[in-house]
Amino acid sequence: GAGVSQTPSNKVTEKGKYVELRCDPISGHTALYWYRQSLGQGPEFLIYFQGTGAADDSGLPNDRFFAVRPEGSVSTLKIQRTERGDSAVYLCASSLIPGQGNTGELFFGEGSRLTVL
Amino acid sequence: GDSVTQMEGPVTLSEEAFLTINCTYTATGYPSLFWYVQYPGEGLQLLLKATKADDKGSNKGFEATYRKETTSFHLEKGSVQVSDSAVYFCALTLMGDDKIIFGKGTRLHILP
Repeated sequence: GAGVSQTPSNKVTEKGKYVELRCDPISGHTALYWYRQSLGQGPEFLIYFQGTGAADDSGLPNDRFFAVRPEGSVSTLKIQRTERGDSAVYLCASSLIPGQGNTGELFFGEGSRLTVL
Repeated sequence: GDSVTQMEGPVTLSEEAFLTINCTYTATGYPSLFWYVQYPGEGLQLLLKATKADDKGSNKGFEATYRKETTSFHLEKGSVQVSDSAVYFCALTLMGDDKIIFGKGTRLHILP
């Protein structure tokens, strides 16, 4: 596809369960970002990949959250032992040039809405 | 810490009205400033940006001027349309940093 694709678009799970959210960036984009957007808030930075490695994971809230990008393309955000406070929309964005984030040229997906009951 | 504060919504206007959405920022360094827009059912997309003081970003009839003296980046449009209904996010990033810091967003409703 032409844009950033995120799956699932909606995920409902029970407290304590494990969840995976997938992001398929624009083809050829080497930089990939995960953000979290809670109700009534702006997107909050979680982690940034440059190629296969996590260049900045300072936004991950705790060790229940982990993200991978093994081949430098698709990324998976993994949340263990989910809590109700994890309910949010998880946004993925990609850009063509590493560090392009400092000029604002990020392309966002529509997000994965996670609801933890 | 670095942050962005924008006016709370929702903002409701009639078509062809003048729009201002206020945005101020706090930054330890010298930021680049952005407005992102999220139309219903779509992902966030960059609307306009400014990278240094007194720069004016513009796109689709929207404008915002980087005011260092007032640490502001207010979004304006002279005549809004129904199709401008969306959520608007003011944002910043610091030189050498890879993450963008967003405000809480302002929902705009334009009535025909």
